[in-house]
Amino acid sequence: AQTVTQSQPEMSVQEAETVTLSCTYDTSESDYYLFWYKQPPSRQMILVIRQEAYKQQNATENRFSVNFQKAAKSFSLKISDSQLGDAAMYFCAYRSALRDDKIIFGKGTRLHILP
Amino acid sequence: DAGVTQSPTHLIKTRGQQVTLRCSPISGHKSVSWYQQVLGQGPQFIFQYYEKEERGRGNFPDRFSARQFPNYSSELNVNALLLGDSALYLCASSFGLAGGQPQHFGDGTRLSIL
Repeated sequence: AQTVTQSQPEMSVQEAETVTLSCTYDTSESDYYLFWYKQPPSRQMILVIRQEAYKQQNATENRFSVNFQKAAKSFSLKISDSQLGDAAMYFCAYRSALRDDKIIFGKGTRLHILP
Repeated sequence: DAGVTQSPTHLIKTRGQQVTLRCSPISGHKSVSWYQQVLGQGPQFIFQYYEKEERGRGNFPDRFSARQFPNYSSELNVNALLLGDSALYLCASSFGLAGGQPQHFGDGTRLSIL
């Protein structure tokens, strides 16, 4: 069974600085997708960034980028120029590309932005 | 365009009661999934429906059931409520089933069991 592990329950970063959230996963599949979702206090789960496992190039969305290490099964999220609006729970997630399957979420990392 | 809408926003029930949660997907989306998010945890998959057929079921007891209607909206039913059913219930919709299809989440229904 696939698992997703986020080892940092909470992190803090100064506004305008850079922060990296860690995620590791376990799977025997070769084709899958990885995601980072943001959940602010408003509760809605918002997709931040997506990575296809077959692509070696790391995904980037504006201030958000990932470091995808397939062999190490590592998928970290880097947030540059942190803003107060980035404060939220961040979930790393996995989904198989081979089966009609569920998204598997990690337990989340709560990110605090210090003004 | 409207996003995924869920109702009600909040709900308070007592143990043993039954509850129905509702979800309307984004227009054109045919797949709906349900997740349970207990406080302090990541969401856990409950059900996935596509074209009114159940396509996936998570590790939840038979007290949990769901269905999808011809207009692709969905209901999640939970019978014989337990204290442990207190959680945020999230609905997500996508156009199809492919793994890379982005899933769009609603704001959830907060269910509290007294």
